[in-house]
Amino acid sequence: AQKVTQAQTEISVVEKEDVTLDCVYETRDTTYYLFWYKQPPSGELVFLIRRNSFDEQNEISGRYSWNFQKSTSSFNFTITASQVVDSAVYFCALRSYNTDKLIFGTGTRLQVFP
Amino acid sequence: DVKVTQSSRYLVKRTGEKVFLECVQDMDHENMFWYRQDPGLGLRLIYFSYDVKMKEKGDIPEGYSVSREKKERFSLILESASTNQTSMYLCASNPGGVGGYNEQFFGPGTRLTVL
Repeated sequence: AQKVTQAQTEISVVEKEDVTLDCVYETRDTTYYLFWYKQPPSGELVFLIRRNSFDEQNEISGRYSWNFQKSTSSFNFTITASQVVDSAVYFCALRSYNTDKLIFGTGTRLQVFP
Repeated sequence: DVKVTQSSRYLVKRTGEKVFLECVQDMDHENMFWYRQDPGLGLRLIYFSYDVKMKEKGDIPEGYSVSREKKERFSLILESASTNQTSMYLCASNPGGVGGYNEQFFGPGTRLTVL
């Protein structure tokens, strides 16, 4: 069975702190895709990044970076120098190669205080 | 940019009413999805559609039905609303085809309250 675990329900930090959101997944497939979405208070899920199972290269986009490690089945997300605008719920999701269905984690609520 | 719109941001209905939630996408996507989001449970798939008039049950289809008469529009129907269907409903779409990333694009959500 496929599963995505986001063990951190809620994280609170002060602005400019670095924060890492954890994502651990389970799948028996060799080909799969991983995603991160951000849900700000407005409600709409915003796509952030995608990765396929053959691409373990870490990625950096501005203050955001992602660390994909197949050996530990993890796809963690780090925000450097957090800002108040980063306050949102963040979801990690998994999709197998042979389906269009996404399996979501339960989300991590990040609160960044000024 | 992909645009997914939902007919209402907030909706209040009474128990037993028939409720329609509408979703429209403007990117000619093959697939459309309906999810509900509840605290501590994340997003759970209710139904999805991979073509006009085609649908497939998700993880929690009980109490819901769907309709897709046109490619761009996907409706979620609560035949007889109940209080346990109070939730945030999110619509999404993606291009389709099992190869490739096919990330889903989401609408703003409809927060439904059933009294």
